Amino acid sequence: AQKITQTQPGMFVQEKEAVTLDCTYDTSDPSYGLFWYKQPSSGEMIFLIYQGSYDQQNATEGRYSLNFQKARKSANLVISASQLGDSAMYFCAMRENMEYGNKLVFGAGTILRVKS
Amino acid sequence: DAGVIQSPRHEVTEMGQEVTLRCKPISGHDYLFWYRQTMMRGLELLIYFNNNVPIDDSGMPEDRFSAKMPNASFSTLKIQPSEPRDSAVYFCAGSTGGGELFFGEGSRLTVL
Repeated sequence: AQKITQTQPGMFVQEKEAVTLDCTYDTSDPSYGLFWYKQPSSGEMIFLIYQGSYDQQNATEGRYSLNFQKARKSANLVISASQLGDSAMYFCAMRENMEYGNKLVFGAGTILRVKS
Repeated sequence: DAGVIQSPRHEVTEMGQEVTLRCKPISGHDYLFWYRQTMMRGLELLIYFNNNVPIDDSGMPEDRFSAKMPNASFSTLKIQPSEPRDSAVYFCAGSTGGGELFFGEGSRLTVL
């Protein structure tokens, strides 16, 4: 079964507008962590933001925020005021069984294109 | 402060040859991961180590793949013999405990 589902293969957004990238996850573990990474065309993997399952507030990092809806098992990434440099592949990932392991499982990714 | 260092950045080899990919993690990171990225299968975890000990190698595709971590500052991923379907970008990443993964720039392998 898919642990991480990203249903949007590709997205377009107009420069300066906000965009939401969807991510749903599947776990029965009460302790887990959710991550978002950015992969530009140059290929490196850049960490953006983290949300722990016990965190009471949604995580924010600059223009990035995570819309965490635990009951719906969703962890959508919101990018505000999009910039041309935001064009990249975005991956959602989950770490579960945190007491017994430390591996991250990644979704298939969403390609974001910012239009000028 | 140097990040995760991988070598080679690009490797082109012929089917049947041995390939060795190398990784130097960030000092102090006690977890080391090897991932493979392809268009068809996305990012797959191959194996990970904690304090130089392999913890989970269930993602290693077959016996042709092996990974070692002889010390805290060095790991290798070896493919012998290589096949065209092994062509991919191989990432090494490290972390401390439950923190985020810090990735290297990847090694792009092409097997002809």
